[in-house]
Amino acid sequence: QLQLQESGPGLVKPSETLSLTCTVSGGSIRGSSYYWGWIRQPPKKGLEWIGNIYYTGTTYSNPSLKSRVTISLDTSKNQISLKLSPVTAADTAVYYCARVPPRGWGDWHFDLWGRGTLVTVSS
Amino acid sequence: QSALTQPASVSGSPGQSITISCTGSSSDVGGYNYVSWYQHHPGKAPKLMIYDVSVRPSGVSNRFSGSKSGNAASLTISGLQAEDEADYYCSSYAGSSTLVFGGGTKVTV
Repeated sequence: QLQLQESGPGLVKPSETLSLTCTVSGGSIRGSSYYWGWIRQPPKKGLEWIGNIYYTGTTYSNPSLKSRVTISLDTSKNQISLKLSPVTAADTAVYYCARVPPRGWGDWHFDLWGRGTLVTVSS
Repeated sequence: QSALTQPASVSGSPGQSITISCTGSSSDVGGYNYVSWYQHHPGKAPKLMIYDVSVRPSGVSNRFSGSKSGNAASLTISGLQAEDEADYYCSSYAGSSTLVFGGGTKVTV
């Protein structure tokens, strides 16, 4: 059964780079027609879409974060990565990775999620 | 790109039905039939409950149903059970290759 696991530093200093990895187990991301997404949830707030990446490497990002976000695939390691730079305290959140099944354009729903990882931005 | 509007909380007694609204605009909810709903128990992975406005994924109870009218979508939970107590989020495609979530609704049973 496919599983997603987020990992990375739990504490990042302001103005630095947040780097997270989502490791996919139980299946290969290579050649699959899925999108892979990143979503975050700041403390006591709702979910916020960060961006998606297609298996070809094409990326789509939230306009409010686009200039700071980099999403990439490492098919050799079966991983999806997220980089956000520079960060501020407002980027403190639980970060989730999730899978988007291949359907029509715009039909982006997340059918499988990781449990998330908390990242705190503080000096 | 503004978040979709959901009520902060909805409550009901076991066995009752409740409905959670998700209001957007013609640029998102009203413009596409790509509304999805997620159940989130804190500390766990969110779970897809409804996609494409009203489609239930395999394994999701038929007590959950979705609908849409104009710029508003709804999730109805019938026969409310204690295990349904969770946070619920709606999401919609918002055009220009973007996605938007709602602010979330806490369901109390």
